[in-house]
Amino acid sequence: GAVVSQHPSRVICKSGTSVKIECRSLDFQATTMFWYRQFPKQSLMLMATSNEGSKATYEQGVEKDKFLINHASLTLSTLTVTSAHPEDSSFYICSAPPQGRRNTEAFFGQGTRLTVV
Amino acid sequence: AQTVTQSQPEMSVQEAETVTLSCTYDTSENNYYLFWYKQPPSRQMILVIRQEAYKQQNATENRFSVNFQKAAKSFSLKISDSQLGDTAMYFCAFMNYYGGATNKLIFGTGTLLAVQP
Repeated sequence: GAVVSQHPSRVICKSGTSVKIECRSLDFQATTMFWYRQFPKQSLMLMATSNEGSKATYEQGVEKDKFLINHASLTLSTLTVTSAHPEDSSFYICSAPPQGRRNTEAFFGQGTRLTVV
Repeated sequence: AQTVTQSQPEMSVQEAETVTLSCTYDTSENNYYLFWYKQPPSRQMILVIRQEAYKQQNATENRFSVNFQKAAKSFSLKISDSQLGDTAMYFCAFMNYYGGATNKLIFGTGTLLAVQP
């Protein structure tokens, strides 16, 4: 099956610093990747759609200048949390549907637990 | 806008018994997919089962089956012969299908299922 690798799995950073999270499709190409945020015991909320070679599409209420998304290749999308604050602490998950298939199955990364202190 | 509702925040079932998780959704679209995802304590999202809206036949995957009622916009998950490894958070999810386009998932709030020995 298709594999999506997300790195790092856990990160602790100081308030005011930036953190980059990587999402890689290991054995398939993905022109689109999705970034979700999940608070404890809550659902996954879509933050943005990452499009290879073009700007990401952000959901309403998500600050695009704070959550920078780059999709520079068909196998890599990155999410950078800029000037992180404690309220940005959360679980971030990426997903990718393989290009060329019917796009009805999304493969998820392992997630990144971000703690801002 | 599409919405997905899971009215059971928590459920418990004895090992080897059957349990049904409820999900309702709201959409004006006619072409879509519905999913059940499992999120165990590891927080890795795992696809349990998928239903195409244009198919009347309910999807089944081994011990997992759905009751898809399109007119009622209901999509329940039945787990038969429950196993301890089924303990997890279960999310119902909706995806519009535009044919060739890559689409986002809209998740319900989740049901935490505990299988008791």
